[in-house]
Amino acid sequence: KAGVTQTPRYLIKTRGQQVTLSCSPISGHRSVSWYQQTPGQGLQFLFEYFSETQRNKGNFPGRFSGRQFSNSRSEMNVSTLELGDSALYLCASSRPPGQFFSGANVLTFGAGSRLTVL
Amino acid sequence: KQEVTQIPAALSVPEGENLVLNCSFTDSAIYNLQWFRQDPGKGLTSLLLIQSSQREQTSGRLNASLDKSSGRSTLYIAASQPGDSATYLCAVKETSGSRLTFGEGTQLTVNP
Repeated sequence: KAGVTQTPRYLIKTRGQQVTLSCSPISGHRSVSWYQQTPGQGLQFLFEYFSETQRNKGNFPGRFSGRQFSNSRSEMNVSTLELGDSALYLCASSRPPGQFFSGANVLTFGAGSRLTVL
Repeated sequence: KQEVTQIPAALSVPEGENLVLNCSFTDSAIYNLQWFRQDPGKGLTSLLLIQSSQREQTSGRLNASLDKSSGRSTLYIAASQPGDSATYLCAVKETSGSRLTFGEGTQLTVNP
């Protein structure tokens, strides 16, 4: 079965621009979360969506936002880009908690979108 | 605030060696702990997940243990191979949601 798909894989933007990244979860997975990975800060949680609702949010400024659609696909947006936003953005999907499936709560990650801000 | 630490930061071993990677966390009230592998420029691959009620999990040459009370987990890799070269990340989940707190990772190099 298809894994988590993130697009685009690579992109270059300049300071002040905005960017939208897309994530298509594994079929049947309704929970999508986003992480930022940088050499200095490591992997940090951005936000989590379930049933089109943001369930949890990390400690990032309001320039970082996201949404989830009825088909569970998710997008994240970063406005007014700064040099420090250069990072690998990873999306992960999972079955929602409480469902009695083996492997529930295991996060499956996509390959990531590498953003470079010049 | 949960903090996750991984030791060592980097490790280089000859092929065939057994090795142990360490992970410690500051708040023992965790939901589960997951070990991941990351190859350069790639996403994360889940290796093992240990629920808070479990003590260990095994998959092939990998064995992960969890001691919640002391805030520690270890990943044991038996008979290492050059293909095991990657960064290994430990992450803890404190609730039933999807928020993970990651360690900085251990960069493993297995030399032929």
